[in-house]
Amino acid sequence: QITLEESGPTLVKPTQTLTLTCTFSGFSLSTSGVRVGWIRQSPGRALEWLALIYWDGDKRYGPSLKSSLSITKDTSKNQVVLTMTNVDPADTGTYYCAHSSYGDYLGSWGQGTLVTVSS
Amino acid sequence: EIVLTQSPATLSLSPGDRATLSCRASQSVLNYLAWYQQKPGQAPRLLIYDASNRATGIPARFSGSGFGTDFTLTISSLESGDFAIYYCQQRSDWPGTFGGGTKVEI
Repeated sequence: QITLEESGPTLVKPTQTLTLTCTFSGFSLSTSGVRVGWIRQSPGRALEWLALIYWDGDKRYGPSLKSSLSITKDTSKNQVVLTMTNVDPADTGTYYCAHSSYGDYLGSWGQGTLVTVSS
Repeated sequence: EIVLTQSPATLSLSPGDRATLSCRASQSVLNYLAWYQQKPGQAPRLLIYDASNRATGIPARFSGSGFGTDFTLTISSLESGDFAIYYCQQRSDWPGTFGGGTKVEI
């Protein structure tokens, strides 16, 4: 059974750096074809891809936030970490990590973590 | 970036009704399209991938069709647990954009 769980701060001040951790079980991020991504859901906005990391270390970033994002993996700890620098109130939303084993379809999701950016 | 437009925004139906949801892409995505269901307070759940393949554990009343730019999700007979928001997502081009959603309400 695949499970994913997001963790991190619930409140961040503008201009600060947000660090979110996805801890997963039931699969290995070193298995060919596996990828883990971060998706954001903000009020009034569509679901938005933030970043994706592949089993082989390849990374992709959503174009709107590419310059402020970093995604890394620690295969031994079964974790994926997303870092977002210089956050803005517009970055408020629920952040999900999710697993994909085929294409970029997201077959398993964490429960999400709500992050508020406010002074 | 490929834009996915879903219609209608809201679909008001009754249990037992047939639901037909539409997703239109701004350019061809071949068959690289998925559908997700999201209920309040929950993460999205994958229903359909590659336009017409049901994900593991998804009931047969959910079906998908389409190719290129026009896609349809059909729920043959709505059950109480099907009232939710449905999103389409393409993986033809990075980032795999999502549509704005269709809310299926009672």
